[in-house]
Amino acid sequence: DSGVTQTPKHLITATGQRVTLRCSPRSGDLSVYWYQQSLDQGLQFLIQYYNGEERAKGNILERFSAQQFPDLHSELNLSSLELGDSALYFCASSQSGTGAVETQYFGPGTRLLVL
Amino acid sequence: DQQVKQNSPSLSVQEGRISILNCDYTNSMFDYFLWYKKYPAEGPTFLISISSIKDKNEDGRFTVFLNKSAKHLSLHIVPSQPGDSAVYFCAASASGFQKLVFGTGTRLLVSP
Repeated sequence: DSGVTQTPKHLITATGQRVTLRCSPRSGDLSVYWYQQSLDQGLQFLIQYYNGEERAKGNILERFSAQQFPDLHSELNLSSLELGDSALYFCASSQSGTGAVETQYFGPGTRLLVL
Repeated sequence: DQQVKQNSPSLSVQEGRISILNCDYTNSMFDYFLWYKKYPAEGPTFLISISSIKDKNEDGRFTVFLNKSAKHLSLHIVPSQPGDSAVYFCAASASGFQKLVFGTGTRLLVSP
């Protein structure tokens, strides 16, 4: 158990809909990262938040957005969903997320299926 | 543009033997490398890492070797155990950037 929690575990929805994925980092970690893993692909970095502020952005679609709240949990919002958005979405956290590269600890993921 | 490549999608090894998983990278800015293990229906679990100032890092049965000139790293598992059966991801990062760039993974099967 990494200490990172994600809800829900599974999500089935229809094209055009909007969903919210939730992540709680390990106790004491200030940075949260979101990754997407499509079928047979590696994990693709979407976005990083550090202590409530956006820190780094990857290839995140404009239809996707995220935020980190004062209690440090984070939400990833996916809107106008398309079939191709079906994937595993992982959240990770690290102590600081600034300065030297740190080990990131991953949650169990949310499996999204868009029908 | 796949900056981190794991060219072997799968590897089968007998229990007790050595497992060698390979990873190549193209971005010379990468200076920190990690290996993660992933079981089905779970998130990736951190295994071992290496900084570019080293060429070897060891942790129990797991050793990672880094060849900077060849832009190649490998993970050695000795001896391999059936519980090591999982998908192994190589990841890389560059100083000043916390984001990890992952390979596509190698599925390791260790048979008794």
